Amino acid sequence: DAKTTQPNSMESNEEEPVHLPCNHSTISGTDYIHWYRQLPSQGPEYVIHGLTSNVNNRMASLAIAEDRKSSTLILHRATLRDAAVYYCMANSNSGYALNFGKGTSLLVTP
Amino acid sequence: EAQVTQNPRYLITVTGKKLTVTCSQNMNHEYMSWYRQDPGLGLRQIYYSMNVEVTDKGDVPEGYKVSRKEKRNFPLILESPSPNQTSLYFCASSLRGLAGASSYNEQFFGPGTRLTVL
Repeated sequence: DAKTTQPNSMESNEEEPVHLPCNHSTISGTDYIHWYRQLPSQGPEYVIHGLTSNVNNRMASLAIAEDRKSSTLILHRATLRDAAVYYCMANSNSGYALNFGKGTSLLVTP
Repeated sequence: EAQVTQNPRYLITVTGKKLTVTCSQNMNHEYMSWYRQDPGLGLRQIYYSMNVEVTDKGDVPEGYKVSRKEKRNFPLILESPSPNQTSLYFCASSLRGLAGASSYNEQFFGPGTRLTVL
């Protein structure tokens, strides 16, 4: 699994876009980049994943650098409900342990 | 509704009293897993199961047992709980344990079980 580095915390205003960065410089060619988030008092939930191309889904967008050494999770319009810890991971899709690390705690203010 | 359920959600017990935390999924997933979450240590995997009757140790298996007799259930057993097992426990499942590069297996997590061992 590639080591990932994320800021400890970020803050955003409600209805503003949020860009959550992640560095994964040791990523290998077959490693997926994936993001989960954990809302307060809940289990983690899947947000998005990608391999090489940028990805969009109903929750977020994932922008992957051309060299794949970094990526950015984009929440297009943050809501109060998006306040959570966001975990970036880069590892093969083996279904084995997800290495959550410390993640980025996102605070959304009205 | 597709979900992973855990019971109980909260449990306070005493050292040495055997307990079982149940986990069940209704998505016909092959892969199931248990994590514990501790402040400053994040989530760490305890045990996982690739399919019925197939289980293996994760990063922190000491003091825990699991079984996988049916596809939908994956109970976590603490034969003799100790205070250092006080933690928040999550069960997770995904469709497959192994996949090729062309598919991705999202993991679904239960709501968590907060265990306190006195």
